[in-house]
Formats: sequence, C-alpha cells, structure tokens
Amino acid sequence: NAGVTQTPKFRILKIGQSMTLQCTQDMNHNYMYWYRQDPGMGLKLIYYSVGAGITDKGEVPNGYNVSRSTTEDFPLRLELAAPSQTSVYFCASSYRGGRDTQYFGPGTRLTVL
Amino acid sequence: QKEVEQNSGPLSVPEGAIASLNCTYSDRGSQSFFWYRQYSGKSPELIMSIYSNGDKEDGRFTAQLNKASQYVSLLIRDSQPSDSATYLCAVNGVGETGTASKLTFGTGTRLQVTL
Repeated sequence: NAGVTQTPKFRILKIGQSMTLQCTQDMNHNYMYWYRQDPGMGLKLIYYSVGAGITDKGEVPNGYNVSRSTTEDFPLRLELAAPSQTSVYFCASSYRGGRDTQYFGPGTRLTVL
Repeated sequence: QKEVEQNSGPLSVPEGAIASLNCTYSDRGSQSFFWYRQYSGKSPELIMSIYSNGDKEDGRFTAQLNKASQYVSLLIRDSQPSDSATYLCAVNGVGETGTASKLTFGTGTRLQVTL
C-alpha cells in the first residue's frame, strides 16, 4: 500500500516551458487535491476533485490545469511556466473530503528559472 | 475569504514542558478542525482531528475547540526534541457549494523544543 505517490521529486524548468506533475493514490479515495507551499507559508489549494470526471478551482488556479479520468490519478499541468510558480507542490487525497484526514504525497520541488 | 490565523513563531519550549499552539478561524460555520505536523522538507501528516467543543486527548497531544470563540488549540505535554516541527491548523466549513470538500490551512507555527 503506497498511499499517495508523486513524480517527479525535483524539477527545474525554464520560463515558458510546460510540464505535468503526476499524482497517484491507491486508497480508492474519491477526493484529491493539489496544493502549493511557498517558503514559510501555509498550503494554498490550487485545484481539487470530488471524483473521476469532476474538478473545481481552489484558491490559486491561474496558470494550472487538471484532469481526473480515473479514481487513482490526478495530474497537474503547468502551462507557460513562470518564476512565480517556483514552489513545493503537494498532492493529497481523502475519503470524505474536508471532513476527513487528508493524506499527502511526498511533494514535488519545482524551480522556474 | 475564509481565514485561518496562526502565530508563525518560532515557539521555543524546553524539553519536558508543555507547548501550547493556537489557531483562530473566521468561518463561524466551520465543522471540522485538524492539526497537521510538518517536518522541514517533508509533507504534512495528521496529528489530531476534533469536531466537537471541548478537549480531545491522544497520548501527549490534546486538541481543544471553542466554537463560540472560534479558536482551536493544540497542547503537547512532555515536549520532546522530536516534536520540533511546523504545526499547521486546518479548518473545514459548510454552507457554500463545495466548501465541505475543502480545507483552509493556516500558515503554521514553528515549534522548537530545546534541550
């Protein structure tokens, strides 16, 4: 039982490049989330999903896109990377949404130069 | 904009003492409250959840909730150096469509337990 896995662990992008951050969970959770965490700051919600085929914006969605074609996978797409997107990205999942424990992946550290 | 406020710290306590971490929230309709611990360079992990007014104890940890005053706190008894981490308060609300699906996190309080 791997829980929530994320790839890659680290990535450096040039301004204007695009990439996809991968997130997979094996707990059969319906709810999945993408957060970003800037140094010394809390977690900001980017996008979330309440089930396959259903996604919604969080607090800071600009510059990102998501899709949820399966229960297990919730990839985050960065289009036209900007230095402001330099951050640590965490994927999380839960069974009952905001009423329940969220299980976090190990994170992806992204630098945009 | 629903807000969760925490003192960023650092909060420094000697080993064996009680550490008290506080959190206030703005959404009076909030129903679920969580404390996550985050070690430097690691992902958050759940320490405690609390849903009703009063105290909830789990080992050395006690969560306290006061909905009337809109605050939630975490007490750590017999603090150990391994407790040194950032503690994130997270709050879930109800009322708006989709709000019950999400958590709002505070910026965290950094705790340092000194020898």
